Amino acid sequence: SQTIHQWPATLVQPVGSPLSLECTVEGTSNPNLYWYRQAAGRGLQLLFYSVGIGQISSEVPQNLSASRPQDRQFILSSKKLLLSDSGFYLCAWSRTEGYTFGSGTRLTVV
Amino acid sequence: AQSVTQLDSHVSVSEGTPVLLRCNYSSSYSPSLFWYVQHPNKGLQLLLKYTSAATLVKGINGFEAEFKKSETSFHLTKPSAHMSDAAEYFCVVSDRRYSTLTFGKGTMLLVSP
Repeated sequence: SQTIHQWPATLVQPVGSPLSLECTVEGTSNPNLYWYRQAAGRGLQLLFYSVGIGQISSEVPQNLSASRPQDRQFILSSKKLLLSDSGFYLCAWSRTEGYTFGSGTRLTVV
Repeated sequence: AQSVTQLDSHVSVSEGTPVLLRCNYSSSYSPSLFWYVQHPNKGLQLLLKYTSAATLVKGINGFEAEFKKSETSFHLTKPSAHMSDAAEYFCVVSDRRYSTLTFGKGTMLLVSP
């Protein structure tokens, strides 16, 4: 069966520090991978999606970047965090019409 | 381009009464539509999805939704609310051509005894 792992579950980071959130998928090959963010009081916003290794599409210009070094690994990064980067980050994967979300990372930038 | 409008930010019901969460969408292509539920500090759980089969879709926990193309709506209903239904609900549209999801801003469902 397919599973998705996302870590860490919670993270508190100071302003200006780097960020690396990792997401891995098991039990499937060549999935579409996504990073979403949910800011307080708002719906989920698509940040990045990837249809293959090294292929990254950015939906919203911002202080974040994404990379896909392996077929089932998707990494969200920042060189210097801003207060506005705080939020709930969700990784997801899809093949046909099915989407599966990770359990999320709650990031607080202080 | 695709978009989703959830017409109510908060809905309050009493336990045992019907639930109606409203959603309107727009999409340039034949859309797939989903409802997700999120309990506090938890990830998203799929309630149901519409992918061009039957227009009345039944999901988990007694929820169902009806796709109405003429009204561009996909409202979520449940005949009788339970306390455990209290959560935030997201209506989501997928542009099947590119397979990305666009989320509504969410509706918080409050259930009182």
